[in-house]
Amino acid sequence: GAGVSQTPSNKVTEKGKYVELRCDPISGHTALYWYRQSLGQGPEFLIYFQGTGAADDSGLPNDRFFAVRPEGSVSTLKIQRTERGDSAVYLCASSLILAGPGELFFGEGSRLTVL
Amino acid sequence: SQQGEEDPQALSIQEGENATMNCSYKTSINNLQWYRQNSGRGLVHLILIRSNEREKHSGRLRVTLDTSKKSSSLLITASRAADTASYFCATDAGQTGNQFYFGTGTSLTVIP
Repeated sequence: GAGVSQTPSNKVTEKGKYVELRCDPISGHTALYWYRQSLGQGPEFLIYFQGTGAADDSGLPNDRFFAVRPEGSVSTLKIQRTERGDSAVYLCASSLILAGPGELFFGEGSRLTVL
Repeated sequence: SQQGEEDPQALSIQEGENATMNCSYKTSINNLQWYRQNSGRGLVHLILIRSNEREKHSGRLRVTLDTSKKSSSLLITASRAADTASYFCATDAGQTGNQFYFGTGTSLTVIP
């Protein structure tokens, strides 16, 4: 597709359930980022992939959060045993790293609500 | 943790006026970027300024960067109602990698 695609756009789940959020980046973009944004706040860095590997996962809040990018394209953010505090918009972005970091292209986000 | 902080948190101006937003950050960077976010939407890239640049223009946007003060400003001239949005600065991690950190944002309202 022409842009970054995120699915689902909205997800409502119950506390304790498992959730997967998918990101389909722009074709050819080697870098992929996950952010979390709470209402009225800026995007909070979670994890960054360069190719298939997680180059930096220092932003993941705890071991309930995990992300994969097995073929260097589509990525899945996985949240186990969801808590109400996980409710937020999860944003994915991709970028073409050339001579250093460049412009991020964002998807529209996946809004997660944990009841 | 977020590296940048925008100031002011909220700004309300009349259409046609100029809007200035500031961003401060903590560690050395390779570049600084400004993004715009309409309510309920994803972020859209506006402009990128590299650490060896001091000023950059794009249409009605002017960005300055002062690396000695670790600060940047975004000026929107001749504002329009359609400029109403939240604006964020984003800084890379300098020597430690290609990840980006966003500030807390400035919410701009342009009154027609």
